[in-house]
Amino acid sequence: DSGVTQTPKHLITATGQRVTLRCSPRSGDLSVYWYQQSLDQGLQFLIQYYNGEERAKGNILERFSAQQFPDLHSELNLSSLELGDSALYFCASSVGQVSNQPQHFGDGTRLSIL
Amino acid sequence: EDQVTQSPEALRLQEGESSSLNCSYTVSGLRGLFWYRQDPGKGPEFLFTLYSAGEEKEKERLKATLTKKESFLHITAPKPEDSATYLCAVQALYSNSGYALNFGKGTSLLVTP
Repeated sequence: DSGVTQTPKHLITATGQRVTLRCSPRSGDLSVYWYQQSLDQGLQFLIQYYNGEERAKGNILERFSAQQFPDLHSELNLSSLELGDSALYFCASSVGQVSNQPQHFGDGTRLSIL
Repeated sequence: EDQVTQSPEALRLQEGESSSLNCSYTVSGLRGLFWYRQDPGKGPEFLFTLYSAGEEKEKERLKATLTKKESFLHITAPKPEDSATYLCAVQALYSNSGYALNFGKGTSLLVTP
């Protein structure tokens, strides 16, 4: 158990809808990261927050947004969903901002768009 | 742009048959190379961080090594429970002092009894 909690585990919805994925980081971790994993693209970085502030942005679509709350949990919002958004979405956390600190991953949310 | 390439894509070994997985990388400045293990339906599990060429780390039957262009994950006398996808990643620096992992596509390892 990594200590990172993601909910829900599975989500099934339709095209055009909006969903929210939730992540609780490990106790004491200030950084939260979101990644998308699909069969053809592998694990792709979306966005990072550190202590409530956005710090890094990767291949995140404009339809997607995220935030980190004062209690350090994070939410990833996906809107105007398309079939191609079907994927596993992982949250990871690390202690801080030092480059060689490992990230610890949750078990993901599987999103299926019908 | 940082790039990470893993080979082979898939590897089948018999129990006890040692082998190595390769991770080739190109980065503007290495800030850490990470190995993870991922089981089906689970998130990646951290194994090792390597930071400088010549560094080696070991954990049970796994040993990770690092050169200036590659990292190897050596698996000695593997067991069926070592079956998983092994992911390699480099740490990328972003403009607002942020960091994120840039992953390879992984090597899927199957160890048969």
